[in-house]
Amino acid sequence: QVQLVESGGGVVQPGRSLRLSCAASEFRFSNYAMHWVRQAPGKGLDWMAAISFDGSKTSYSDSVKGRFTISRDNSKDTLYLRLNSLRTEDTAVYYCAREALVAVAAPLDYWGQGTLVTVSS
Amino acid sequence: SYELTQPPSVSVSPGQTASITCSGDKLGDKYTCWYQQKPGQSPVLVIYEDNKRPSGIPERFSGSSSGNTATLTISGTQIVDESDYYCQTWASSTSVVFGGGTKLTVL
Repeated sequence: QVQLVESGGGVVQPGRSLRLSCAASEFRFSNYAMHWVRQAPGKGLDWMAAISFDGSKTSYSDSVKGRFTISRDNSKDTLYLRLNSLRTEDTAVYYCAREALVAVAAPLDYWGQGTLVTVSS
Repeated sequence: SYELTQPPSVSVSPGQTASITCSGDKLGDKYTCWYQQKPGQSPVLVIYEDNKRPSGIPERFSGSSSGNTATLTISGTQIVDESDYYCQTWASSTSVVFGGGTKLTVL
């Protein structure tokens, strides 16, 4: 069964940085594009970033472009999200999700359990 | 930027049909997915490409899309279907957008 396990969350002060990881298993990670989606407490899903299967292409939501960086290491079956210049409004559960292998408008077919990032002084 | 609008809440009686809408400019020209999220859990894909069900999703879940609106329909709604539901589409070839979510109450 496909597994995605996020880690790296915690409490961090405003302005500091954090790196989240997502360890993938039970599927060929290097074949799939991947995404990060966050959910603030009591709020809806908010797409953050995506990366192509080989890491050559990345895309970001306007709200985090320039502050967050998505990357991957296919040799380690791991996805990353670097969060810089954190703000209190970045407090959320961060999910990694796999993009399904379909040609157009692929859904996110598997999600991790999420890791909580709390930005507070 | 592209936006998807969902009603904040929908109520349905057990055994009845629930319909949750998702509106966006010319949404019918794009593919829409739907996710179910129970409290404290990760989202689960229930509909993709407007009307396809992933394996393991009950047949009572169906989807449709036309014009500016996509609809998730749950026939014979069960207590276990009480959840938050989110629609999602691709705003461009590289960016994803979610609706604000709908809380489905079964009572």
